Order: sequence, then structure tokens, then C-alpha cells
Amino acid sequence: KQEVTQIPAALSVPEGENLVLNCSFTDSAIYNLQWFRQDPGKGLTSLLLIQSSQREQTSGRLNASLDKSSGRSTLYIAASQPGDSATYLCAVRPVTGNQFYFGTGTSLTVIP
Amino acid sequence: NAGVMQNPRHLVRRRGQEARLRCSPMKGHSHVYWYRQLPEEGLKFMVYLQKENIIDESGMPKERFSAEFPKEGPSILRIQQVVRGDSAAYFCASSPPATWAVQETQYFGPGTRLLVL
Repeated sequence: KQEVTQIPAALSVPEGENLVLNCSFTDSAIYNLQWFRQDPGKGLTSLLLIQSSQREQTSGRLNASLDKSSGRSTLYIAASQPGDSATYLCAVRPVTGNQFYFGTGTSLTVIP
Repeated sequence: NAGVMQNPRHLVRRRGQEARLRCSPMKGHSHVYWYRQLPEEGLKFMVYLQKENIIDESGMPKERFSAEFPKEGPSILRIQQVVRGDSAAYFCASSPPATWAVQETQYFGPGTRLLVL
């Protein structure tokens, strides 16, 4: 059964810093991996989707990498802003099956 | 194009009552997924439905929980005789008909926060 772990559980950084969020998964037979953002009391917003054949995806200040063989993904946020404060969720889609497996998230606080 | 809609956004029930959660997928989407997020835990898959069919309910508790996605109208997640442990955020996601064997991604609604007193 797929297990997804996110480290750290919480992170607090001053505005302007670059930061890395980590995600690891136990079964490398994945179809894709997706990073989401969740604001308190809100739903999930998709940030980046990486197919299993890809190594990375970029969108603005965000860059996500995928190393399927080692079961790891990172989300890099450049020049962090207070508006980036949220919980970041990593989710993997297995090759077989219809669901996403989610990590418990990293709660990010960017201090002005 | 409106996103995935869920209602109510907040629901309070007393132990033993029934809870009905509704999900309207994005226009053109025929696949619906329900997830539950318990406090301090990640989202856990519950059930995957297509119109009038339950495709995968491997994450659904065996008792008190049921889901449907009728030909007309929203998908319904029904919880009978709620208990305090059912308090959680319930998220619905939808995806379009598959062009490949596996859908690309799912679009999530804002969730329904259920509180059982």
C-alpha cells in the first residue's frame, strides 16, 4: 500500500527566503505526482502536476522535481512571500487505481 | 465554468442523526471522488463514482456510509447515525471522461466541514 510522507510538518521562514518542501512515497509505481496548496478552511488548489516520465515542472516561483526510483519529490519555492503561507500537500497517483494518496502536508508560514 | 461545488460548507449534527453531503462536479465531468480529512491527518480516499455506478468504494467504512451519483443531480455522500469520530472535512473531486486509461488529475471542491456534537 502506498504511503506518502511529508517533511517537515511545519516550516516558518522570513519573507524572501528560498525554501524546499519534501515528499517521499514508498511505491515507485506511480502514474503522476501532484502538489496542492490548501488554505485554512478552504479546498485544494493544484499547483504542479508531474508525470512519471518527467523530472520536473515549473510554474512561476515554484519548481517541483520527481525522482521516481528513490520515491522522492521536492517543491522549491523561490523568494517566498507572506501570501505563500498555507499547507502544501503532496499526492501520488498509482499506476493502477483511481485515487490519489496524500501526505499529511507541510504547514508553511512566511513571516513579513 | 464553475468549479466543483459542495454544499453545505458547514454541517452540524447531533450523534445519531443523518448527514447528507452534496457535490456537483465541474461541467462536463462524469467522474466523482470523495475524500475525508480527519483532524491532523491527510486526505483519505473514500469512493469513486461515475454516473449511476460505484466504481471503487475501497475506502468507505463498511457501515453507515453510502454514496451515489444519480443520472441527474449531484453526487450524495450519506452518513447515517453519525458519531463524533465522523467529524471531519469531506472533499469531493471530479474529473472529465478518460481519454487515457487513467485520468490526469482531479479538481477539488471547497469541502464540507461536518461537526458531530
